[in-house]
Amino acid sequence: QTVVTQEPSLSVSPGGTVTLTCGLTSASVSTSHYPNWYQQTPGQAPRPLIYKTNTRSSGVPDRFSGSILGNKAALTITGAQAYDESDYYCVLYMGSGIWVFGGGTKLTVL
Amino acid sequence: EVQLVESGGGLVQPGGSLRLSCAASRFTFSMDYMTWVRQAPGKGLEWVASISEDGSEKYYGGSVKGRFTISRDNTKNSLYLQMDSLRAEDTAVFYCARFYNSHIDYWGQGTLVTVSS
Repeated sequence: QTVVTQEPSLSVSPGGTVTLTCGLTSASVSTSHYPNWYQQTPGQAPRPLIYKTNTRSSGVPDRFSGSILGNKAALTITGAQAYDESDYYCVLYMGSGIWVFGGGTKLTVL
Repeated sequence: EVQLVESGGGLVQPGGSLRLSCAASRFTFSMDYMTWVRQAPGKGLEWVASISEDGSEKYYGGSVKGRFTISRDNTKNSLYLQMDSLRAEDTAVFYCARFYNSHIDYWGQGTLVTVSS
């Protein structure tokens, strides 16, 4: 069973930089997994942030960036703002039409 | 802007069935992959199923394969999810979503499905 891993929680200071990661228990993440990142606040539908590893979705500020770091996909937030406090989810393409979400990272800005 | 409106959620007993619908508008529905994603209360997102533009290709997550069926009617700009043999663990908000350029770019607001006796 393929498991996509994310840090359950992270914190960052206002104005600081934080990196969230998205890994696989059984392999390295590559661009072939087309990593996507989504932001979700309570009671709302997810908002797309990054797709195909490092392409920002429409309207997403350049404070958000995506990359491959080592064997994982990564979402880096620079100049963190209070309103960045949200849940962040990655999703990876496993082939044969199958996508798998990570468990999500709860980001606290304090 | 793209609009996706889900309907059909509600309370159903374990073992029962339910059919979700998603009305799409403000884009050319027949040209886009569509997806269902769900989220159990207080839990993370789970990819449920996807369907190709013409409905010829369908893909399912492991936890629903064999129980759920995704379909679409391009003449009605509608996406469906037929859910059979429902279990308590299927309780979730179900989101209809447009899949474009290797990602979900638009999400509906979701419809809640509760499986309980």
